[in-house]
Amino acid sequence: DTAVSQTPKYLVTQMGNDKSIKCEQNLGHDTMYWYKQDSKKFLKIMFSYNNKELIINETVPNRFSPKSPDKAHLNLHINSLELGDSAVYFCASSQDLGTSLETQYFGPGTRLLVL
Amino acid sequence: GNSVTQMEGPVTLSEEAFLTINCTYTATGYPSLFWYVQYPGEGLQLLLKATKADDKGSNKGFEATYRKETTSFHLEKGSVQVSDSAVYFCALSDRGGGTSYGKLTFGQGTILTVHP
Repeated sequence: DTAVSQTPKYLVTQMGNDKSIKCEQNLGHDTMYWYKQDSKKFLKIMFSYNNKELIINETVPNRFSPKSPDKAHLNLHINSLELGDSAVYFCASSQDLGTSLETQYFGPGTRLLVL
Repeated sequence: GNSVTQMEGPVTLSEEAFLTINCTYTATGYPSLFWYVQYPGEGLQLLLKATKADDKGSNKGFEATYRKETTSFHLEKGSVQVSDSAVYFCALSDRGGGTSYGKLTFGQGTILTVHP
């Protein structure tokens, strides 16, 4: 039973296309996150949601739109894909946003390649 | 703002060698500190954490001590194994409010390769 799952695992697409990445967690956590990892392994937060409400929204182009239909799911939709969007995208979840003591649990990642 | 700096990699060691990966941080408040590990082709997993000064986090033979005076959280292991080959990330968690709530700031990652 995977705690945090993402689909698809790999995504190869053309510039200008629109694509979505789905994330689900079965841990009963309140908070979910999206991170982007670039080719040099640098990891940066993009968004976080707590109980379906947007909490963190870093400086991310508005082509990226997160959607949380319920607290177990946080999907990432990307419009008009660009070459620079090629990266690994990680979803994560944690139990309580209210304390920094909580551990974040990461999904296996979605490897996006824009051609 | 907050930032985390790790030693440059990659680090290549022989099995049973001693490992140190340096990590220093800058934070406006009093953060919690973490080491996460990413094995090849996988997502990140928490390796260990410390929440206050002089706390020592430990797991799987790895240790790190929260040093407030030197703003450091160096990762150590006395005897590495081939299975420790992975990317190691130092991170801090902001205890501030508003849009920083729960945010993890990561270092740039250090690639460790252990040879038999």
